[in-house]
Amino acid sequence: QSALTQPPSASGSPGQSVTISCTGTSSDVGGYNYVSWYQLHPGKAPKLMIYEVTKRPSGVPDRFSGSKSGNTASLTVSGLQAEDEADYYCSSYAGGDNWVFGGGTKLTVL
Amino acid sequence: QVQLVESGGGVVQPGGSLRLSCAASGFTFSSYGIHWVRQAPGKGLEWVAFIRHDGSNKYYADSVKGRFTISRDNSKNTLYLQMNSLKAEDTAVYYCATSVVVAAPFDGFDIWGQGTMVTVSS
Repeated sequence: QSALTQPPSASGSPGQSVTISCTGTSSDVGGYNYVSWYQLHPGKAPKLMIYEVTKRPSGVPDRFSGSKSGNTASLTVSGLQAEDEADYYCSSYAGGDNWVFGGGTKLTVL
Repeated sequence: QVQLVESGGGVVQPGGSLRLSCAASGFTFSSYGIHWVRQAPGKGLEWVAFIRHDGSNKYYADSVKGRFTISRDNSKNTLYLQMNSLKAEDTAVYYCATSVVVAAPFDGFDIWGQGTMVTVSS
């Protein structure tokens, strides 16, 4: 149950696009299409942004999109806005009713 | 309104025990599996445990296996986490989380509580 690997930080200017990667193994990210992305603002509960690799819950702006290639999933935020500044975590189902999260990425809007 | 509310956190000495609760409302609690997830200070999210909708199966992260027990009382719409033999590294905000609105079977935790802080310190 090793944590998924995310870059510690990412940044972009308003209006730009930024992509955050999430690397696992064939036992988690690569083995299942069950990757989610969560947005965390300090002191608030996590918010689901993407699930099942590419699906967006109702109410999440379409500026947020997800993808996966092999053992690496990605979250892309297009048209960056100030309110997108937050910590982002990926998670993946890892089989046998186990789940694993990434270490988190701090997104800064410059 | 669909919501989860955790309680029971506090300060406990190493080796001690604590029981967390998570009260659910606004949805049919007994129809959904539910998780505990924690976040240590300055650290990332860590999946802790999962229990199926009817309590028939329970699963744990290696870091808590043998020390923590997840359970639920569907008649009270409440999830529990019994934490024994607590260690300093168990210090964290503990969240309960489930997938209700998107109803994804294996991911997509769309309902989270506000969290309850557990501090293990002498």
